[in-house]
Amino acid sequence: QSALTQPRSVSGSPGQSVTISCTGTSSDVGGYDYVSWYQQHPGKAPKLMIYDVSQRPSGVPDRFSGSKSGNTASLTISGLQAGDEADYYCCSYAGNPRVFGGGTKLTVL
Amino acid sequence: EVQLLESGGGLVQPGGSLRLSCAASGFTFSNYGMSWVRQAPGKGLEWVSAISGSGGSTYHAASVRGRFTISKDISKNTLYLQMNSLRAEDTAIYYCAKEGGTANFDYWGQGTLVTVSS
Repeated sequence: QSALTQPRSVSGSPGQSVTISCTGTSSDVGGYDYVSWYQQHPGKAPKLMIYDVSQRPSGVPDRFSGSKSGNTASLTISGLQAGDEADYYCCSYAGNPRVFGGGTKLTVL
Repeated sequence: EVQLLESGGGLVQPGGSLRLSCAASGFTFSNYGMSWVRQAPGKGLEWVSAISGSGGSTYHAASVRGRFTISKDISKNTLYLQMNSLRAEDTAIYYCAKEGGTANFDYWGQGTLVTVSS
């Protein structure tokens, strides 16, 4: 099972919006509505930000939203804040395995 | 409050074995699947193994299949990862993670570092 494809890095200024893409295949992203997104700050454990493509766990700001079209899922962060600077990973169910994306470093300029 | 506490990491020689543990609390352990996810130094996340709530079904990534075994002791609320025939490329922080029900990981431990080196 190959890793999902994410851009290595994205950036935006405070207050702006950014979108991180996550491209897979019909065997993972395109085949199931079980895409999740994780935020990881340096030296910390990952944190669940979005599950089931577009659902937010309690406590996650509504500035974070998710969507999917075909084999590509997306995470959009609006109203960027300095604390959003982190690595972001997508993950998809792929039958019994789960597969992660390679990760995207978000820089808030 | 859900808590996951890993232990058992350390330095091991290539070809050696190690058993990781993850003590879980704050939820009904038998009702939820669990996974191990690892992160090599400076690299991304890699799913390693998963186990169903009852422990009756297990799954492993191709990179560790035949070498690693995931298990759980429901009476002790503890998840395990037995790692045999370790290789340098297994060097990573290993996180245990609770599955939220649809292959997402809603709670994570703080991780335990495994270093495979001679």
